[in-house]
Parts: sequence; C-alpha cells; structure tokens
Amino acid sequence: DADVTQTPRNRITKTGKRIMLECSQTKGHDRMYWYRQDPGLGLRLIYYSFDVKDINKGEISDGYSVSRQAQAKFSLSLESAIPNQTALYFCATSDWGTSLGEQYFGPGTRLTVT
Amino acid sequence: KQEVTQIPAALSVPEGENLVLNCSFTDSAIYNLQWFRQDPGKGLTSLLLIQSSQREQTSGRLNASLDKSSGRSTLYIAASQPGDSATYLCAVIRGSTLGRLYFGRGTQLTVWP
Repeated sequence: DADVTQTPRNRITKTGKRIMLECSQTKGHDRMYWYRQDPGLGLRLIYYSFDVKDINKGEISDGYSVSRQAQAKFSLSLESAIPNQTALYFCATSDWGTSLGEQYFGPGTRLTVT
Repeated sequence: KQEVTQIPAALSVPEGENLVLNCSFTDSAIYNLQWFRQDPGKGLTSLLLIQSSQREQTSGRLNASLDKSSGRSTLYIAASQPGDSATYLCAVIRGSTLGRLYFGRGTQLTVWP
C-alpha cells in the first residue's frame, strides 16, 4: 500500500461548489503539506502543518482552507471553487527529526472546475 | 524570496548518453536540496536529497552535486535509458523556513532508443 494516499484521484466540479480533497499517510510523519501544480508554473505551496495544532499559510492560500484532523490526515477545502483552481494537487509529508526534511508525495488529485 | 531555476527546460537525447541537468537558487542559505522525478500525470518520486553540508549524493546511475556558495546543483545521469524519460524537478529548503520546499519548473527529459 502507498505511504501517502489522496482521494479522490480525479474530480470534476462546477463553479461555486464546495469541494474537499483528502490526504492520509502511514509514514508516521509529523509534517504535512498541500501543493498545486500548474503547467509551466511548477509546484506552489498552499498550506502546511508541522503538527496537529499547527497550520500555516503557504504562498497561494487565498480561496483554500485546511484541516489537520489527526497526525495522519490533512484535508484541503475549496469553499467556492472557481475555474482558475483547475490544477493538479499534491499532498506531501516529511519527518524533520529522522529524514532531514525529505518530502514524500502522494499520487495527486486532478481537479477540474468548469 | 528563494527562486529556483532549472536549465534546460527540455532535453532530448539518444539512449546511452551521459547528461547533466542544472539547478540554480538565489538564496544560498539552504538547509537541503532534493531532486525529484515526475512521470506524466503522476506524483513526485524523490531521487536524491543533499544536505547543505554535503557536496554530492549518489544513487545508482544518478549523481547529484551541490555548490551552496554559488547557488548551484547538478544532476548527472549516466548511460541514459528510455525509462529515464520524465520531468526532473529540483527543490530547496531554506534554512530560515524549515520544511518549505521551493521548486524549480523542471527539466523535461526524453531519451529515445
């Protein structure tokens, strides 16, 4: 089984709808991240969490919110989806203490907002 | 702000060639640097991680070097194979914002038989 899983893998939704992307990990890592990837722009950080009680905004957090339900679960929500949020979304994890911040990525969620 | 640049943006080579992918970053105060591979429509696979105190790391046919003072890293792929075709991404963690990766836009590599 994969160490970092994301659900759903693909989603098509309409403008204005609320949508949640979920991430789970079995690596036991304390740190979790959400990135989006757009063609030609690379990956950009949306939110990150260093533990269950710690949530931080990344460089493009507007229009998004997150919830760290447990050490192993980190969800990303789009409260009112808009077409320019169409992108590939990745969750990642790291364990600062033992792996020097090396990040491990999930398979991604392809989101299309029409 | 940390900016990461990768050159070239795309590279097409015949099988068997040795090749070098380049990555540069503007803020030399990095904690570590990570190279990833991404296949089309797929997630990122970590290839190598170099700590700021290290000069290079090797894994099989891959060798990554780091020159922190000049803000550069290279990924060397020996004896390239068609299965190496993918996008290669470089990312750095700044010392002042531990845990946040700053990514380059990647080099798209095609190795043809």
